[in-house]
Amino acid sequence: GQQLNQSPQSMFIQEGEDVSMNCTSSSIFNTWLWYKQDPGEGPVLLIALYKAGELTSNGRLTAQFGITRKDSFLNISASIPSDVGIYFCAGQGNTPLVFGKGTRLSVIA
Amino acid sequence: GAVVSQHPSRVICKSGTSVKIECRSLDFQATTMFWYRQFPKKSLMLMATSNEGSKATYEQGVEKDKFLINHASLTLSTLTVTSAHPEDSSFYICSASKSGAPYEQYFGPGTRLTVT
Repeated sequence: GQQLNQSPQSMFIQEGEDVSMNCTSSSIFNTWLWYKQDPGEGPVLLIALYKAGELTSNGRLTAQFGITRKDSFLNISASIPSDVGIYFCAGQGNTPLVFGKGTRLSVIA
Repeated sequence: GAVVSQHPSRVICKSGTSVKIECRSLDFQATTMFWYRQFPKKSLMLMATSNEGSKATYEQGVEKDKFLINHASLTLSTLTVTSAHPEDSSFYICSASKSGAPYEQYFGPGTRLTVT
């Protein structure tokens, strides 16, 4: 089945730093989604991308749908302590939504 | 908005009993609802997809007789874990999508099931 490779698995950064994470796949996706999950909660949709090359922002978050349709990245600028959590990419192709394994972000004040 | 609720948030049950988890879309009609299972520090594993009024489509390896899914209305889906065993202990999360944005899934807050 379709699989997503999400990296890095975890990150420790200083407050105020920028963060970048990405997902790649061997398959083409029609939609890329980025979610954030806090401990004990369900994932919250951050950004949805529908077109190859699309660059979308949501506050300090920016995500892009790769031109090849096989990758996407998420950037967080000027990180703050509440950015802590697990970030999941998800891709939609011809199958139900496929999730990456997550990037665990820790922010050191 | 797109708010999805789940009830209960936590449940503890004894082996052999059944547990029902409800998933509701509060401010939209959900054409499709999904049920996921998540193990500690792992990603989400899709269990089944359900459309209102239809039988759920289960992913490979998920026992449909053990995890009963009912999607009786456009705002409610239920997951019943039958004859629960300790290995069924997990975090169960539902999600729902709208008709206008079928690829965006909005997640509930999850239900922590512990089987003793």
